Order: sequence, then C-alpha cells, then structure tokens
Amino acid sequence: GAVVSQHPSWVICKSGTSVKIECRSLDFQATTMFWYRQFPKQSLMLMATSNEGSKATYEQGVEKDKFLINHASLTLSTLTVTSAHPEDSSFYICSAREQAYEQYFGPGTRLTVT
Amino acid sequence: TQLLEQSPQFLSIQEGENLTVYCNSSSVFSSLQWYRQEPGEGPVLLVTVVTGGEVKKLKRLTFQFGDARKDSSLHITAAQPGDTGLYLCAGAIAGNTGKLIFGQGTTLQVKP
Repeated sequence: GAVVSQHPSWVICKSGTSVKIECRSLDFQATTMFWYRQFPKQSLMLMATSNEGSKATYEQGVEKDKFLINHASLTLSTLTVTSAHPEDSSFYICSAREQAYEQYFGPGTRLTVT
Repeated sequence: TQLLEQSPQFLSIQEGENLTVYCNSSSVFSSLQWYRQEPGEGPVLLVTVVTGGEVKKLKRLTFQFGDARKDSSLHITAAQPGDTGLYLCAGAIAGNTGKLIFGQGTTLQVKP
C-alpha cells in the first residue's frame, strides 16, 4: 500500500515553455501533498504544500506564479513549471500524506530545460 | 527556523563495518522519519519514530529517537554493498500541517 506515482519520470523542454508534472496517490486518499526540489547529492527542499480544494502554501523564496500547483482531487496534484528556464532544471519529487506523520514519496521527475 | 543537522554527510566504509548516522536539532519534533533514496528515485520510508526514547529495529538497522524528541540516530550493523544510498532523516513539526524538516542527508558507500 501507500504508493505514489509521478508522471512523467523525465522530461526535456525548451526554454520559455511550460511543463506539467502529475502526482497521484494510487491506493489511498491524500488530503495533503507536498512538492520538493532536489539538486544532485543534496537533500530535499520543500517548495509547497498542496491541500485538496484549496490554494497551495508556498515556502519562502518559491515563486507561486512560476510553480503553479493544483490539487483538484484527493488523489491528484499537479505542478506546472511556467516559462521554464535552464536554472529550473532539477529533480522534482512529490509526496502524499496518508496518516498523521508519514509521507510517501513519488519516484520523482527529472526536468531538463534546454 | 527549525533545523535538523545530519552527520556525517558522506561516509565510505568497507563491507562488514558498522556505522551510525546522527540527526540533531534544538527543536522538538512530534515524530521523525528515516528514508533511504537511490539515485534517480524518490525516498523510501524506512521507519517512523514517535515516542521519546523509542528504539526500532529493521533487520540490521536500528533507529533511536532521543528522550527529548530532538535527536535521532540510525545504526547499521555489518553494512553490505546493498546498503549504499542516500539516507535522510526528516522531522515532523508541531501542529497538523504534515510538513517535514529534512536533514542534509548522508551519502553512504559500502565497498565490497
């Protein structure tokens, strides 16, 4: 149980275009999902908290107009990187919260902006 | 600002050796999770500790939560090459937001 999927697993896009990443909880309902960014050999950096049916809460320094988050249902949250630039290239990981403490992570999406 | 200091950040050992990874904070956490991550994949939950002083074992891995719930440790006995990976501790902050504070991570390499 507690499986989280992400799609796509990797994507290459041109500078200036937008990219959408999906995060799904496959066997449980997640009222809260989280989006992280991770640089090589570094820890996870929380970008935003996504609650079903409400606006996402962004961490300090994260541009909400650039990283659009939608949590339309209890099993799906999406992250759209708008007007992507090479510096947005990174590994993006989502997680879904099932119980009070535990988060289960998706397999990640490798974004490369050329 | 709540911080979780994880050490060491890099560790390279021979197969069969023991090791301990530490996570320390000045803040109290309601729970603490340990994850293991392989390159190009998402973190996989190893264990959650909730009670101060709690000790949990997962085969050769022993996890301990400090009495004051400010620190935790992961001890691996007789490490094997399959233990190689990035180990992350993450503390759940008070309240019900579900947010986790992550340590810097420990990259472990176990040489055969």
